[in-house]
Amino acid sequence: DTAVSQTPKYLVTQMGNDKSIKCEQNLGHDTMYWYKQDSKKFLKIMFSYNNKELIINETVPNRFSPKSPDKAHLNLHINSLELGDSAVYFCASSHSQRNTEAFFGQGTRLTVV
Amino acid sequence: QQPVQSPQAVILREGEDAVINCSSSKALYSVHWYRQKHGEAPVFLMILLKGGEQKGHEKISASFNEKKQQSSLYLTASQLSYSGTYFCGPTPRSNDYKLSFGAGTTVTVRA
Repeated sequence: DTAVSQTPKYLVTQMGNDKSIKCEQNLGHDTMYWYKQDSKKFLKIMFSYNNKELIINETVPNRFSPKSPDKAHLNLHINSLELGDSAVYFCASSHSQRNTEAFFGQGTRLTVV
Repeated sequence: QQPVQSPQAVILREGEDAVINCSSSKALYSVHWYRQKHGEAPVFLMILLKGGEQKGHEKISASFNEKKQQSSLYLTASQLSYSGTYFCGPTPRSNDYKLSFGAGTTVTVRA
């Protein structure tokens, strides 16, 4: 069973479109994250949710809107896609109180053309 | 605020050693280390929770100096499988909801 799963794995879309990436974890974790990794491999945190509540929003354009319907899911919706949004997006989860490892999803490679 | 890692990249021959340093501008509670192979997701290596504590994973070990707000990752007798990008993720407190990484260090091990 996959611990953290993201869909889709690849996403190619045109500028101006709206798209969503879904993430689910079956580890019983209470904290979930979205990261953006650009071509230089910099792994930048975008959002952090704890028990469905937004905790961290790292100066991400408001075209990006995360939604957490329950503790096991954290989706990312992106409006009016721009060329600069092309990157690999990773979802991750961890347990906040145990300071244990974070598990990452396989990543979604978004290409905006 | 992201941690600062050095060096940015290192090339090794099999069997050589390397050290990757990670420093933070904030007081630290713990430091996570992850490795990401090309085209894959980052994978957990270890967490260091106490100052001065060393942990190991295969022939990869790490130390944590909370006074200096630094951690170092030691690759000993490197193997081809050690190639990848290494990320440190320092956390300032025990229930931190922000696992933040830096730019990483790319390690290439050649035969």
